[in-house]
Amino acid sequence: AQTVTQSQPEMSVQEAETVTLSCTYDTSENNYYLFWYKQPPSRQMILVIRQEAYKQQNATENRFSVNFQKAAKSFSLKISDSQLGDTAMYFCAFMKVAGANSKLTFGKGITLSVRP
Amino acid sequence: NAGVTQTPKFRILKIGQSMTLQCAQDMNHNYMYWYRQDPGMGLKLIYYSVGAGITDKGEVPNGYNVSRSTTEDFPLRLELAAPSQTSVYFCASSPIIGGLNTEAFFGQGTRLTVV
Repeated sequence: AQTVTQSQPEMSVQEAETVTLSCTYDTSENNYYLFWYKQPPSRQMILVIRQEAYKQQNATENRFSVNFQKAAKSFSLKISDSQLGDTAMYFCAFMKVAGANSKLTFGKGITLSVRP
Repeated sequence: NAGVTQTPKFRILKIGQSMTLQCAQDMNHNYMYWYRQDPGMGLKLIYYSVGAGITDKGEVPNGYNVSRSTTEDFPLRLELAAPSQTSVYFCASSPIIGGLNTEAFFGQGTRLTVV
């Protein structure tokens, strides 16, 4: 079974600064996806960024980028130029490719506060 | 595009009552999921389905049932509601895993309180 661990329950960052959110996972699979989802106070789950395990290049989406270390099973999210609208809960998630058991497994999440 | 639609958005149940949470998606996705999110916690998988007629248990299936008679709909049934089922419930769907656009799309959630 796959597990996703987010060990930091809360973080705080000053507006315009950079913050990194950590995530580790455990799997015996070789082919899978990793995701970061954002959940603002509205409760809506919003995809921030996606990484395919077979790609060595780290994914980037505007101010968001990841540091994907496959051997270490680590998948951190870097938010540059933090904005007040980035305040939310962030979830790391894992999904394996193939078969009938391809389900999305989430970590416990981290609450990020951006200070003005 | 409607995406994933959940109804109702809020519901209060009395202990022992039953109800069905509705979920529909219009993206022709094969995979559908039900999660629950307790306060300050991550999402835990209740049940999932890889296609019409096929369902399987997740981490926390006790007290729930599902069916998947069509690709579009994936209702979650709560029988004999208990206070421990007070939570926010999310339905999600995703296309066949492995494509370029693999991701899960979520409904807006149902806040359920059992009193």
